[in-house]
Amino acid sequence: EAQVTQNPRYLITVTGKKLTVTCSQNMNHEYMSWYRQDPGLGLRQIYYSMNVEVTDKGDVPEGYKVSRKEKRNFPLILESPSPNQTSLYFCASSPQTGGPEAFFGQGTRLTVV
Amino acid sequence: GQNIDQPTEMTATEGAIVQINCTYQTSGFNGLFWYQQHAGEAPTFLSYNVLDGLEEKGRFSSFLSRSKGYSYLLLKELQMKDSASYLCAVRVITSGTYKYIFGTGTRLKVLA
Repeated sequence: EAQVTQNPRYLITVTGKKLTVTCSQNMNHEYMSWYRQDPGLGLRQIYYSMNVEVTDKGDVPEGYKVSRKEKRNFPLILESPSPNQTSLYFCASSPQTGGPEAFFGQGTRLTVV
Repeated sequence: GQNIDQPTEMTATEGAIVQINCTYQTSGFNGLFWYQQHAGEAPTFLSYNVLDGLEEKGRFSSFLSRSKGYSYLLLKELQMKDSASYLCAVRVITSGTYKYIFGTGTRLKVLA
């Protein structure tokens, strides 16, 4: 089954404690991206990757890092989480060739206290 | 700057037709997408327009006018399960890379 898998689904952490949210896709897609979704602000792109070892900043990259060492995985790293990073996070993948459909993971609800 | 506007909320009756509008101001336009998102769930792809005109997929249709920076999603024969948020998104090309810009979503309530 074609899917994007994020882990964990829910996470409560404390300010400053490094964390990683994993994302994996099994569709051999080149393009992967991370979004955060906040009430009234919609989905905002944090980082994206056109292919292995190629990453670029989206609209809200501050406080986040990513890596793309393999095609299937695109982890999101928060080196020092702060309460303003409390949000719902989605990972998505799509073919780079311009295929329209993006597959989204099930989301990670992160709370930073 | 890049901007997408869509209404915050709409209400319609089961069995009716509803049109959700989306206007955008972007540079490097490379396609417009509509997604459906039920509360607490991931967005799911509905439709895609890259050229002007109407795309139809069952009960859902989407229209694009690039010259006007305008799109709409048309939902026919509304069902209760269509109660969800509908997200308009634009893909833009900048320096050879793709970026996606989403509107804030339109929350649709379908009433019996």
